[in-house]
Amino acid sequence: EIVMTQSPATLSVSPGERATLSCRASQSVSSNLAWYQQKPGQAPRLLIYGASTRATGIPARFSGSGSGTEFTLTISSLQSEDFAVYYCQQYNNWPPTWTFGQGTKVEIK
Amino acid sequence: QVQLVESGGGVVQPGGSLRLSCAASGFTFSSYGMHWVRQAPGKGLEWVAFIRYDGSNKYYADSVKGRFTISRDNSKNTLYLQMNSLRAEDTAVYYCAKDLAVAVSLGPFDYWGQGTLVTVSS
Repeated sequence: EIVMTQSPATLSVSPGERATLSCRASQSVSSNLAWYQQKPGQAPRLLIYGASTRATGIPARFSGSGSGTEFTLTISSLQSEDFAVYYCQQYNNWPPTWTFGQGTKVEIK
Repeated sequence: QVQLVESGGGVVQPGGSLRLSCAASGFTFSSYGMHWVRQAPGKGLEWVAFIRYDGSNKYYADSVKGRFTISRDNSKNTLYLQMNSLRAEDTAVYYCAKDLAVAVSLGPFDYWGQGTLVTVSS
């Protein structure tokens, strides 16, 4: 079973600042890594897939990088609407299972 | 526009059963794999089950294997989750979600429903 570990659990950032979120896989998932944003009371929204490809309609301030076991989501200049919980997800192994990290909460500093 | 609308949640006693539905519209339902994902109150996301676009393959999380059954009716554009032998730890919001890519069995989820709450309690 692949375990996804996100850090930090909570990130306090001021509006306009950069946020860097990390996700580590217990074994290589190649580039089969996605990032989701979830706001309170809402369903998750796909931000990034293939480790670095932005989903349709996602602003350019969101970027993803990494491969293998180490991944990063960067929000270049935080807007008020970006304060949320972010989850990474792997979709690499066979037979298929999809594993989420425990989430990183980005809060206003 | 893509819409996924879950229904069927509610309160059920431990050991009981419930069937969730997810009505899909705005895309060719029969061309995409579909998932159920759950989120316990105040907790993170847990993938539950997947069904291939044609229903030929199904996969489950170990936590629900043998108790839950995913199915679909492509003529009705509807996804189902039959949940039996429910436990307190199955209490969660259950979301249905659509695969990003056509006819691919391993990929991310690009659209999610708003979820339906299942509470297992005596």
